[in-house]
Amino acid sequence: AQSVAQPEDQVNVAEGNPLTVKCTYSVSGNPYLFWYVQYPNRGLQFLLKYITGDNLVKGSYGFEAEFNKSQTSFHLKKPSALVSDSALYFCAVGANTNAGKSTFGDGTTLTVKP
Amino acid sequence: EPEVTQTPSHQVTQMGQEVILRCVPISNHLYFYWYRQILGQKVEFLVSFYNNEISEKSEIFDDQFSVERPDGSNFTLKIRSTKLEDSAMYFCASRTPGGPPDTQYFGPGTRLTVL
Repeated sequence: AQSVAQPEDQVNVAEGNPLTVKCTYSVSGNPYLFWYVQYPNRGLQFLLKYITGDNLVKGSYGFEAEFNKSQTSFHLKKPSALVSDSALYFCAVGANTNAGKSTFGDGTTLTVKP
Repeated sequence: EPEVTQTPSHQVTQMGQEVILRCVPISNHLYFYWYRQILGQKVEFLVSFYNNEISEKSEIFDDQFSVERPDGSNFTLKIRSTKLEDSAMYFCASRTPGGPPDTQYFGPGTRLTVL
């Protein structure tokens, strides 16, 4: 069975500072990892994914994520946070099956203060 | 850019009533999904659908739920007899015909409120 953990319910950063939203995973086989963002009363918006290749993945809106196989982590990062980045962030792992369902973490609320 | 659409955006129903949530996946996608998110909680997988049949379903997806692709474009989730605890945001997703790791693209969701 696959699982995802987001150890922090809430992350607070000041605008202009770097941000990190943590994610660890557990899968059998190769991990397929995703980050999604959800703004209030909106759907899930894809940010980036790791399938294979470089451990540092670049995505939308200046976000990037670092895949670390030994630590089974896939932390989301951004060098300089914006107030508009404030949202709910979900890490997800995709199954390598025909169904290919995603398993989501509990989500982390990011608040960027001016 | 193509996107997944869902209707209605908000559905209010009385307990015990049937509801049908509608989704139009991205046109060349072949795998379809429903997820739900109870307010303030995580996104949970309900069911996946491929080649006109259910590929996988979760324990949440009991006999009161059903899915259908009635034509070449729509993908529906029916809840036969709604309960208070069915109140949630329901997301439809679809992905390409490629391999399983391909990204799922999510619709904006339907907020279901059961009174």
